[in-house]
Amino acid sequence: QVQLVQSGAEVKKPGASVKVSCEASGFTFTAYYMHWVRQAPGQGLEWLGWINPYSGGTDSAQNLQGRVSMTRDTSISTAFMELSSLRSDDTAVYYCARGREEGAFDIWGQGTMVTVSS
Amino acid sequence: YVLTQPPSVSVAPGKTARITCGGNNIGSKSVHWNQQKPGQAPVVVIYYNSDRPSGIPERFSGSNSGNTATLTISRVEAGDGADYYCQVWDSNNDLVVFGGGTKLTVL
Repeated sequence: QVQLVQSGAEVKKPGASVKVSCEASGFTFTAYYMHWVRQAPGQGLEWLGWINPYSGGTDSAQNLQGRVSMTRDTSISTAFMELSSLRSDDTAVYYCARGREEGAFDIWGQGTMVTVSS
Repeated sequence: YVLTQPPSVSVAPGKTARITCGGNNIGSKSVHWNQQKPGQAPVVVIYYNSDRPSGIPERFSGSNSGNTATLTISRVEAGDGADYYCQVWDSNNDLVVFGGGTKLTVL
């Protein structure tokens, strides 16, 4: 069954880093881009960036460049999103989503709650 | 690139709901629609303007022309109540853009 399974909830202090994983199953991991999206409490969806699991190439939203890093481990079909220098406004549910052409997504992970609090 | 959605739409059960997504010449882009119920991850209900993923009821349809894309839900059911987000690829800036979301309330 095609699915994306994300790591569990995290609580971090301001200034720390968090790394969220997204394990793919049921399809060829390297054949699809993986996107990352977040949703702050009560807010809409915000695109963070993508990784090409085949090449490792990435791109990210301009407002996060320098703080976000997207990587992958093809041996375990898993993508990772690491966000550094956390602030309280980084508190959100973080999702991975399988990408298709023209910016379409067809599968979403279940989400990972990241709470940044002192 | 900015996508504009109405914050809320209300519809009676059995009627037709239309949720719009406005953007400059959006008709030249592929528009995708996601449904999100409270506490759940989004689910794609329409992609490439009008294609339905497997498992999505035929009651969900999409169109896109000019400056407006529309998600239409026919014969609305109570379970269709959710937030709906439109989505496009901004090729000028190489990024995904989401609309602000529309809360569909089934009366």
